[in-house]
Amino acid sequence: GENVEQHPSTLSVQEGDSAVIKCTYSDSASNYFPWYKQELGKGPQLIIDIRSNVGEKKDQRIAVTLNKTAKHFSLHITETQPEDSAVYFCAASPGGELTFGTGTRLTIIP
Amino acid sequence: SAVISQKPSRDICQRGTSLTIQCQVDSQVTMMFWYRQQPGQSLTLIATANQGSEATYESGFVIDKFPISRPNLTFSTLTVSNMSPEDSSIYLCSTRLANNEQFFGPGTRLTVL
Repeated sequence: GENVEQHPSTLSVQEGDSAVIKCTYSDSASNYFPWYKQELGKGPQLIIDIRSNVGEKKDQRIAVTLNKTAKHFSLHITETQPEDSAVYFCAASPGGELTFGTGTRLTIIP
Repeated sequence: SAVISQKPSRDICQRGTSLTIQCQVDSQVTMMFWYRQQPGQSLTLIATANQGSEATYESGFVIDKFPISRPNLTFSTLTVSNMSPEDSSIYLCSTRLANNEQFFGPGTRLTVL
């Protein structure tokens, strides 16, 4: 089955700086890669996703890149703000069940 | 997208008792799932709730412990039976749309004493 590794487990960045979270996957059949943001006391919220037919996708301050050859994908958050503080999960799917990474706790330092 | 609500949002229960968690989706969906998230951990799939048939459980989860109902295309329940402190977790309802986008409810925070 699919295996997803996520790094780093914790990340602290100064407000206004950029944050990058990286994930690798094992199953070459995976073709859908969502990212979730989970704030304290809430359920995971889908913030951006990418499919295997594109290499990059951007939505305002958030972007995701995908390297199918190396089997890794990354979340980039620019101009970070205090409200970006949360736990972020990556996931991968070959078209059905999602396999989640272990999560990254992002803290934005004011 | 899909909007999912869960009840209760949290509960504190005594060991040996059972709790039923309700999940309501704002539209008819084919796929509904139940996940468990232990403190500080990632999400683990418990089962797929199938409408009109028995749920499909993942390895390590059994129907006697986590019975699931799915009476229609917008509603499902998960029961945590004969609870022990190890069952203290967040339980999340989820649905996946035809384009593979998957959405989660706000979760039910369960503490077993």
